[in-house]
Amino acid sequence: AQKVTQAQTEISVVEKEDVTLDCVYETRDTTYYLFWYKQPPSGELVFLIRRNSFDEQNEISGRYSWNFQKSTSSFNFTITASQVVDSAVYFCALSVPMYSGGGADGLTFGKGTHLIIQP
Amino acid sequence: ETGVTQSPTHLIKTRGQQVTLRCSSQSGHNTVSWYQQALGQGPQFIFQYYREEENGRGNFPPRFSGLQFPNYSSELNVNALELDDSALYLCASRPRGRTYNEQFFGPGTRLTVL
Repeated sequence: AQKVTQAQTEISVVEKEDVTLDCVYETRDTTYYLFWYKQPPSGELVFLIRRNSFDEQNEISGRYSWNFQKSTSSFNFTITASQVVDSAVYFCALSVPMYSGGGADGLTFGKGTHLIIQP
Repeated sequence: ETGVTQSPTHLIKTRGQQVTLRCSSQSGHNTVSWYQQALGQGPQFIFQYYREEENGRGNFPPRFSGLQFPNYSSELNVNALELDDSALYLCASRPRGRTYNEQFFGPGTRLTVL
């Protein structure tokens, strides 16, 4: 069974501050995928990034960066110079590939971190 | 825009009733998953359909059932509604050939059970 823990329920920062959202995962599979999704008030989940278990390179996309560390089972997300439009609930998720074990590959989500960026 | 649509947007039912939620994916999306998101929680995996057959289920009872059609649309059916079924229901689809689990989510249907 898989598990994703997002210990930070809510984070509030002032615009332009940097903020890091923590994610810790558990799985016995050696091949897995990690994701971050953003959920604005409208409710639709917006895909941000996918990382497979064999690729520990950190990634940067504009103001967003991700730090994947298998040694600590963590996949943290940092927003640099935060903006009000970044306000949303952010979810970390884990899945095992469809053909590993022959079953479905439903995502296991954490409970989410509500990020509030104050102007 | 993910190209995944869901209907209806909102729905109100009473306990014991049955409900059908619909999802329409892009052409070529042959895998669809359904999730239940209770207020303040992360989405929980209900089940997944691949080529019109259920190929996996989360911790949900049999009164949650589904269908997937050849035209890339799908349904989630819930019988004997309970108050705890009140939630946002999300469908997610994946294109044919994508083996790395990138799923595209629809906007969801918010179900309220009174």
